[in-house]
Amino acid sequence: EAQVTQNPRYLITVTGKKLTVTCSQNMNHEYMSWYRQDPGLGLRQIYYSMNVEVTDKGDVPEGYKVSRKEKRNFPLILESPSPNQTSLYFCASSLRQGVSYEQYFGPGTRLTVT
Amino acid sequence: GENVEQHPSTLSVQEGDSAVIKCTYSDSASNYFPWYKQELGKRPQLIIDIRSNVGEKKDQRIAVTLNKTAKHFSLHITETQPEDSAVYFCAASPPDGNNRLAFGKGNQVVVIP
Repeated sequence: EAQVTQNPRYLITVTGKKLTVTCSQNMNHEYMSWYRQDPGLGLRQIYYSMNVEVTDKGDVPEGYKVSRKEKRNFPLILESPSPNQTSLYFCASSLRQGVSYEQYFGPGTRLTVT
Repeated sequence: GENVEQHPSTLSVQEGDSAVIKCTYSDSASNYFPWYKQELGKRPQLIIDIRSNVGEKKDQRIAVTLNKTAKHFSLHITETQPEDSAVYFCAASPPDGNNRLAFGKGNQVVVIP
Protein backbone atom coordinates (compact mmCIF):
# COMPACT_ATOMS: atom_id res chain seq x y z
CA GLU A 1 0.00 0.00 0.00
CA ALA A 2 1.32 3.42 -1.01
CA GLN A 3 1.72 5.52 2.09
CA VAL A 4 3.59 8.04 4.18
CA THR A 5 4.29 6.96 7.73
CA GLN A 6 5.37 8.97 10.74
CA ASN A 7 6.62 7.95 14.15
CA PRO A 8 5.82 8.52 16.88
CA ARG A 9 2.18 9.53 16.51
CA TYR A 10 2.08 11.14 19.92
CA LEU A 11 4.92 12.50 22.00
CA ILE A 12 5.12 14.38 25.26
CA THR A 13 8.55 15.67 26.15
CA VAL A 14 10.28 18.30 28.25
CA THR A 15 12.01 21.47 27.22
CA GLY A 16 15.51 20.93 25.90
CA LYS A 17 15.36 17.17 25.37
CA LYS A 18 16.39 16.40 21.80
CA LEU A 19 13.91 14.42 19.76
CA THR A 20 13.47 13.08 16.25
CA VAL A 21 10.24 12.47 14.38
CA THR A 22 10.70 10.00 11.55
CA CYS A 23 8.96 10.13 8.18
CA SER A 24 9.08 7.48 5.50
CA GLN A 25 7.36 7.08 2.12
CA ASN A 26 7.23 4.01 -0.12
CA MET A 27 6.17 5.74 -3.34
CA ASN A 28 9.64 6.66 -4.64
CA HIS A 29 8.72 10.33 -4.33
CA GLU A 30 11.46 12.89 -4.81
CA TYR A 31 9.84 15.76 -2.92
CA MET A 32 9.27 15.61 0.82
CA SER A 33 8.18 18.27 3.26
CA TRP A 34 7.37 18.95 6.90
CA TYR A 35 4.48 21.11 8.05
CA ARG A 36 3.19 22.18 11.41
CA GLN A 37 -0.50 22.80 12.01
CA ASP A 38 -1.66 25.17 14.71
CA PRO A 39 -5.21 26.39 15.41
CA GLY A 40 -6.02 29.45 13.33
CA LEU A 41 -2.70 29.32 11.49
CA GLY A 42 -3.30 26.51 9.03
CA LEU A 43 -0.45 24.48 7.58
CA ARG A 44 2.94 26.13 7.65
CA GLN A 45 5.94 24.59 5.94
CA ILE A 46 9.01 23.99 8.09
CA TYR A 47 11.51 22.41 5.67
CA TYR A 48 11.37 20.69 2.35
CA SER A 49 13.60 18.47 0.25
CA MET A 50 13.70 18.24 -3.53
CA ASN A 51 15.77 15.05 -3.49
CA VAL A 52 18.46 13.19 -1.59
CA GLU A 53 20.90 15.59 0.09
CA VAL A 54 18.88 18.61 -1.13
CA THR A 55 16.98 20.42 1.61
CA ASP A 56 15.79 23.99 2.08
CA LYS A 57 13.99 26.13 4.61
CA GLY A 58 10.29 26.66 4.47
CA ASP A 59 8.36 29.42 6.20
CA VAL A 60 9.03 28.51 9.84
CA PRO A 61 12.38 26.67 10.05
CA GLU A 62 13.67 28.11 13.35
CA GLY A 63 14.36 25.45 15.94
CA TYR A 64 14.20 22.54 13.51
CA LYS A 65 16.66 20.50 11.47
CA VAL A 66 16.16 17.91 8.75
CA SER A 67 18.23 15.49 6.76
CA ARG A 68 17.65 13.53 3.57
CA LYS A 69 20.22 10.78 3.33
CA GLU A 70 17.88 8.33 1.64
CA LYS A 71 15.08 9.00 -0.79
CA ARG A 72 12.39 7.39 1.35
CA ASN A 73 13.23 9.00 4.71
CA PHE A 74 13.02 12.59 5.88
CA PRO A 75 13.40 12.90 9.67
CA LEU A 76 12.58 16.09 11.58
CA ILE A 77 14.93 16.91 14.41
CA LEU A 78 14.27 19.22 17.32
CA GLU A 79 17.65 19.75 18.98
CA SER A 80 16.28 21.67 21.97
CA PRO A 81 12.48 21.65 21.96
CA SER A 82 10.60 24.54 23.50
CA PRO A 83 6.91 24.88 24.48
CA ASN A 84 6.19 27.00 21.37
CA GLN A 85 6.96 23.92 19.29
CA THR A 86 3.94 22.16 20.73
CA SER A 87 1.97 21.43 17.59
CA LEU A 88 0.62 18.85 15.18
CA TYR A 89 3.27 17.91 12.63
CA PHE A 90 2.68 16.46 9.20
CA CYS A 91 5.17 14.98 6.79
CA ALA A 92 4.20 14.99 3.11
CA SER A 93 5.64 13.74 -0.15
CA SER A 94 4.96 14.27 -3.84
CA LEU A 95 6.26 12.70 -7.02
CA ARG A 96 8.63 15.30 -8.41
CA GLN A 97 8.86 18.81 -9.63
CA GLY A 98 6.82 19.54 -12.71
CA VAL A 99 5.17 16.13 -12.81
CA SER A 100 2.69 16.16 -9.99
CA TYR A 101 2.12 18.59 -7.21
CA GLU A 102 -0.28 16.41 -5.19
CA GLN A 103 1.12 16.05 -1.72
CA TYR A 104 0.45 12.86 0.23
CA PHE A 105 0.37 13.51 3.94
CA GLY A 106 1.39 11.25 6.76
CA PRO A 107 -0.98 10.60 9.69
CA GLY A 108 0.50 13.37 11.82
CA THR A 109 2.52 13.55 15.03
CA ARG A 110 1.08 15.39 17.98
CA LEU A 111 3.93 16.86 19.99
CA THR A 112 3.61 18.44 23.42
CA VAL A 113 6.62 20.17 24.96
CA THR A 114 6.30 21.01 28.65
CA GLY B 1 6.47 34.90 -1.16
CA GLU B 2 2.98 33.73 -1.99
CA ASN B 3 0.24 34.67 0.48
CA VAL B 4 -3.06 32.81 0.44
CA GLU B 5 -6.15 33.92 2.33
CA GLN B 6 -9.41 32.05 2.83
CA HIS B 7 -12.89 33.33 3.62
CA PRO B 8 -15.02 32.71 5.58
CA SER B 9 -13.17 30.97 8.38
CA THR B 10 -16.28 29.03 9.37
CA LEU B 11 -19.27 28.13 7.25
CA SER B 12 -22.43 26.38 8.39
CA VAL B 13 -24.83 25.04 5.80
CA GLN B 14 -28.01 23.00 5.88
CA GLU B 15 -27.69 19.53 4.46
CA GLY B 16 -28.55 19.60 0.77
CA ASP B 17 -27.60 23.25 0.31
CA SER B 18 -24.49 24.47 -1.49
CA ALA B 19 -21.28 25.72 0.12
CA VAL B 20 -18.79 28.09 -1.42
CA ILE B 21 -15.34 28.89 -0.04
CA LYS B 22 -13.20 31.57 -1.60
CA CYS B 23 -9.42 31.98 -1.59
CA THR B 24 -7.30 34.85 -2.75
CA TYR B 25 -3.62 34.68 -3.62
CA SER B 26 -0.98 37.33 -4.04
CA ASP B 27 1.52 36.03 -6.61
CA SER B 28 0.11 36.46 -10.11
CA ALA B 29 2.66 33.92 -11.37
CA SER B 30 1.18 31.07 -9.31
CA ASN B 31 -0.14 28.42 -11.66
CA TYR B 32 -1.46 25.55 -9.56
CA PHE B 33 -4.32 25.70 -7.04
CA PRO B 34 -5.34 22.63 -5.03
CA TRP B 35 -7.95 22.13 -2.35
CA TYR B 36 -7.32 19.75 0.54
CA LYS B 37 -9.92 18.34 2.90
CA GLN B 38 -9.07 17.45 6.48
CA GLU B 39 -11.63 15.51 8.47
CA LEU B 40 -11.45 15.65 12.24
CA GLY B 41 -8.36 13.86 13.52
CA LYS B 42 -7.18 12.87 10.06
CA ARG B 43 -4.60 13.96 7.55
CA PRO B 44 -5.25 16.49 4.76
CA GLN B 45 -6.16 14.89 1.44
CA LEU B 46 -6.37 16.39 -2.02
CA ILE B 47 -9.94 16.61 -3.29
CA ILE B 48 -9.61 18.75 -6.41
CA ASP B 49 -7.09 21.00 -8.11
CA ILE B 50 -6.92 23.39 -11.02
CA ARG B 51 -4.13 24.78 -13.16
CA SER B 52 -3.94 28.35 -14.39
CA ASN B 53 -4.78 27.46 -17.99
CA VAL B 54 -8.26 26.28 -16.94
CA GLY B 55 -11.14 28.36 -15.60
CA GLU B 56 -13.26 25.64 -14.02
CA LYS B 57 -13.03 21.99 -13.07
CA LYS B 58 -15.74 19.66 -11.74
CA ASP B 59 -15.71 16.32 -10.04
CA GLN B 60 -19.15 15.06 -9.08
CA ARG B 61 -20.46 17.37 -6.34
CA ILE B 62 -17.37 19.54 -6.08
CA ALA B 63 -16.03 22.16 -8.45
CA VAL B 64 -13.29 24.74 -8.43
CA THR B 65 -13.34 28.01 -10.35
CA LEU B 66 -10.36 30.26 -11.00
CA ASN B 67 -10.33 33.97 -11.76
CA LYS B 68 -6.73 34.84 -12.65
CA THR B 69 -7.45 38.51 -13.18
CA ALA B 70 -8.85 38.94 -9.69
CA LYS B 71 -6.41 36.37 -8.25
CA HIS B 72 -9.01 34.28 -6.54
CA PHE B 73 -10.34 30.75 -6.76
CA SER B 74 -13.33 29.12 -5.12
CA LEU B 75 -14.47 25.68 -4.03
CA HIS B 76 -18.11 24.85 -4.67
CA ILE B 77 -19.79 21.91 -2.95
CA THR B 78 -23.33 21.14 -4.08
CA GLU B 79 -25.94 18.99 -2.32
CA THR B 80 -23.89 19.01 0.87
CA GLN B 81 -23.90 15.91 3.05
CA PRO B 82 -22.80 15.40 6.67
CA GLU B 83 -19.58 13.76 5.46
CA ASP B 84 -18.63 17.07 3.84
CA SER B 85 -18.11 18.50 7.33
CA ALA B 86 -14.36 19.13 7.57
CA VAL B 87 -11.67 21.76 7.36
CA TYR B 88 -10.84 22.75 3.79
CA PHE B 89 -7.46 24.21 2.87
CA CYS B 90 -6.72 25.99 -0.34
CA ALA B 91 -3.18 26.42 -1.61
CA ALA B 92 -1.25 28.06 -4.39
CA SER B 93 2.02 27.10 -5.99
CA PRO B 94 4.27 29.65 -7.63
CA PRO B 95 6.31 28.38 -10.60
CA ASP B 96 9.65 28.64 -8.85
CA GLY B 97 10.56 25.05 -9.56
CA ASN B 98 10.46 24.02 -5.90
CA ASN B 99 7.07 22.23 -5.87
CA ARG B 100 6.11 24.30 -2.84
CA LEU B 101 2.55 24.94 -1.77
CA ALA B 102 1.49 28.01 0.20
CA PHE B 103 -1.59 27.04 2.22
CA GLY B 104 -4.39 29.21 3.49
CA LYS B 105 -5.45 29.02 7.13
CA GLY B 106 -8.38 26.73 6.44
CA ASN B 107 -12.19 26.92 6.48
CA GLN B 108 -14.30 24.91 8.88
CA VAL B 109 -17.40 23.69 7.05
CA VAL B 110 -20.23 22.33 9.17
CA VAL B 111 -23.12 20.59 7.45
CA ILE B 112 -26.21 20.59 9.64
CA PRO B 113 -28.39 17.51 9.15
